Amino acid sequence: AQKVTQAQTEISVVEKEDVTLDCVYETRDTTYYLFWYKQPPSGELVFLIRRNSFDEQNEISGRYSWNFQKSTSSFNFTITASQVVDSAVYFCALSEAPGGTSYGKLTFGQGTILTVHP
Amino acid sequence: NAGVTQTPKFQVLKTGQSMTLQCAQDMNHEYMSWYRQDPGMGLRLIHYSVGAGITDQGEVPNGYNVSRSTTEDFPLRLLSAAPSQTSVYFCASRSFSGGGYTFGSGTRLTVV
Repeated sequence: AQKVTQAQTEISVVEKEDVTLDCVYETRDTTYYLFWYKQPPSGELVFLIRRNSFDEQNEISGRYSWNFQKSTSSFNFTITASQVVDSAVYFCALSEAPGGTSYGKLTFGQGTILTVHP
Repeated sequence: NAGVTQTPKFQVLKTGQSMTLQCAQDMNHEYMSWYRQDPGMGLRLIHYSVGAGITDQGEVPNGYNVSRSTTEDFPLRLLSAAPSQTSVYFCASRSFSGGGYTFGSGTRLTVV
């Protein structure tokens, strides 16, 4: 069975600090996808990134960066120079790669509540 | 705009009432699924479908029914609402060919 663990329930930082959100996953699949979603106070789920298990390159997008370590089954997310607008719940999630019988199923972590204070 | 449309956005039910949460997508996605979100528990899969006429249970299916008569629609039925079903419900779709999941804006359901 697949499992995603986000051990940090809540994180509080002051604006301009860097913050890293941890994500550890378990799967028996050899190919899979990992995701990060943001849920702002308005409630919608905003897609941030998808990472294929074959691609271990780290990715940077503006102030966001992701560190995928297959050896430790981790997919951590770092926000550099955090801003108040980054305050949200962040979810890490896992799915099978295309073709698998469970491809349509997404397994979520419990979420990390990030609060950025001015 | 293309995407996943959920209705209603808010609903209050009395215990024992039944209702259907609607979900429609216009992207011709094969996969559709329903999740519920409860505080501290992330999103949990209720039911999912890999195509018209095919559905399967997820992690928390009890008390819910689904059907998939068309590619576009995937309604979620609450047969006899219970307070434990108070939650925020999200519908999502995904294509066979890859890409991410597209989520609806959610339905906030309160059962009193």
